[in-house]
Amino acid sequence: QVQLVVSGGGVVQPGRSLRLSCAASGFTFSTYGMHWVRQAPGKGLEWVAVIWFDGTNKYYADSVKGRFTISRDNSKNTLYLEMNSLRVEDTAVYYCGRAVQQSWGFDPWGQGTLVTVSS
Amino acid sequence: QSALTQPASVSGSPGQSITISCTGTSSDVGGYNYVSWYQQYPGKAPKLMIYDVSNRPSGVSNRFSGSKSGNTASLTITGLQAEDEADYYCSSYTSSSTVVFGGGTKLTVL
Repeated sequence: QVQLVVSGGGVVQPGRSLRLSCAASGFTFSTYGMHWVRQAPGKGLEWVAVIWFDGTNKYYADSVKGRFTISRDNSKNTLYLEMNSLRVEDTAVYYCGRAVQQSWGFDPWGQGTLVTVSS
Repeated sequence: QSALTQPASVSGSPGQSITISCTGTSSDVGGYNYVSWYQQYPGKAPKLMIYDVSNRPSGVSNRFSGSKSGNTASLTITGLQAEDEADYYCSSYTSSSTVVFGGGTKLTVL
């Protein structure tokens, strides 16, 4: 079955870096766009970034542009989110989501990983 | 990009129907047929319920339906059941090739 497993979360100090991974299985990873979405504790969903199926196009939310980088390794069926210059307000559960083909919905979602930015 | 506007909460009794609205602008909801709706239980990942305004993924109950008029999209749930009690979020593609979510709506089944 289609599965997305997110890893890499943890506690990090402000200004430091962290890399999240999203391991995909059960589908042809190289043919799907992928997204990152986050959710601060007790808050709503916030879209973070998208990467095209072949990695040729990437788009970011203004709140993370210049600090976060989305990437993928289709040979490893893995999506990444490199987060630099982390801020307290980046504290959230980070989810990866597979793009619905030729659409902008996400299905399914990974289980999420908590990133806590705190001194 | 400002968040889409959803009511903070809605409620209904079992068997009734409810509608959740999602208001944006001509640069997102009104400009594209890429509105999606998600259901989220506490502590769980969201689940796609509707995509492209009105399409249901396989396995989603036909009690869930979506529509759009102008800059406002809507999610309707008919035959309300206790298991429908959850948070619901809308999202839309935007003219900046990004995605914007609504603030979320808490559905209470009375």
